[in-house]
Amino acid sequence: QKEVEQNSGPLSVPEGAIASLNCTYSDRGSQSFFWYRQYSGKSPELIMSIYSNGDKEDGRFTAQLNKASQYVSLLIRDSQPSDSATYLCAVPEWNTGNQFYFGTGTSLTVIP
Amino acid sequence: DGGITQSPKYLFRKEGQNVTLSCEQNLNHDAMYWYRQDPGQGLRLIYYSQIVNDFQKGDIAEGYSVSREKKESFPLTVTSAQKNPTAFYLCASSIGFGTSGRNTDTQYFGPGTRLTVL
Repeated sequence: QKEVEQNSGPLSVPEGAIASLNCTYSDRGSQSFFWYRQYSGKSPELIMSIYSNGDKEDGRFTAQLNKASQYVSLLIRDSQPSDSATYLCAVPEWNTGNQFYFGTGTSLTVIP
Repeated sequence: DGGITQSPKYLFRKEGQNVTLSCEQNLNHDAMYWYRQDPGQGLRLIYYSQIVNDFQKGDIAEGYSVSREKKESFPLTVTSAQKNPTAFYLCASSIGFGTSGRNTDTQYFGPGTRLTVL
């Protein structure tokens, strides 16, 4: 069974601060990584994908990937109260892609 | 508008009843998935289908059944054999491994159905 681990939190940051969310995965062959945001009572929405080592920036979001250490992180700059949600890390099964493995999510609260 | 629709939004089931959750997509995606989410837990895969008329069990398929007669539709039946069905059910779709390639296939989710057993 492939594993995707996240700190469940809750993580609290003040408005305007940087929120840092981390994810580790067990399958060394994994090639692609996804971050989803899930508001309470809603379905997950894709916010970032990353495939190569290093950083990928999209607006206030930066995904960081280190395949050697088997971790992927998500940084949210200038955090806003609207960023308060649970963030899910997802890693596809690398050789077949038949399923995604999801972490249990990190709950983020941005305090005004 | 392209997207994934699920119905109903809320569903109540009595003990011993089978209920069917609908999932439809107009994204022309080959692959479709059903997940279950319990409070404070991650998503667990129930069934998936990479192509019409073919589907595979996920990690928690017992007590559930699916069909994939059309590319656009992937209904999930929660049978009376599922002893603890109260959960949030999420349908997802993706282009499919064969089309997008292993490195870029991305799953998109419908709005979900919240099932409660009375």
